[in-house]
Amino acid sequence: NAGVTQTPKFRILKIGQSMTLQCTQDMNHNYMYWYRQDPGMGLKLIYYSVGAGITDKGEVPNGYNVSRSTTEDFPLRLELAAPSQTSVYFCASSASSVSYEQYFGPGTRLTVT
Amino acid sequence: QKEVEQNSGPLSVPEGAIASLNCTYSDRGSQSFFWYRQYSGKSPELIMSIYSNGDKEDGRFTAQLNKASQYVSLLIRDSQPSDSATYLCAGHNTNAGKSTFGDGTTLTVKP
Repeated sequence: NAGVTQTPKFRILKIGQSMTLQCTQDMNHNYMYWYRQDPGMGLKLIYYSVGAGITDKGEVPNGYNVSRSTTEDFPLRLELAAPSQTSVYFCASSASSVSYEQYFGPGTRLTVT
Repeated sequence: QKEVEQNSGPLSVPEGAIASLNCTYSDRGSQSFFWYRQYSGKSPELIMSIYSNGDKEDGRFTAQLNKASQYVSLLIRDSQPSDSATYLCAGHNTNAGKSTFGDGTTLTVKP
């Protein structure tokens, strides 16, 4: 039982490049989330999903896209990377019927130069 | 006004003391509340959840919730150097299906 896994751990992008951050959970959780965390700050919600085929915008969705074709996977797509997207990205999941405690992946540290 | 506000700290306590972390929230639709601990360079991990008014104790940790005052707190008894971390408070709005996090309070426990 691996919990929530994220790849890659680190990435450096040039301005204008695109990439996909992968997130997979093996706990059969319906809810999945993408956050970004800037230095010294809390977590800002980018996108979330309450189940396969359903996604919704969070607090800071601009410049990102998501899809949720399966319960397990919730990839985050960055199009036309900008320096403002330099951050640490965390994926999380939670079970909806019991509690809303979130379990986090190890994070992806992204630098855009 | 942020939806979830925490004292930014840093908070410093001596080993063995009680550390008190506070959080206020503005969204009355939030019904579930959580405390996460985040060590430097690591991901957040859940340490306490609380859903109803009152106190909830788990080992050295006690969470307190007062929905009328929109206030959540975390007490850490017998603080240890290993408790040194940033503590994130979060409120979950069930109808919206999402949680809102505070910016965290950094705690340092000095030996």
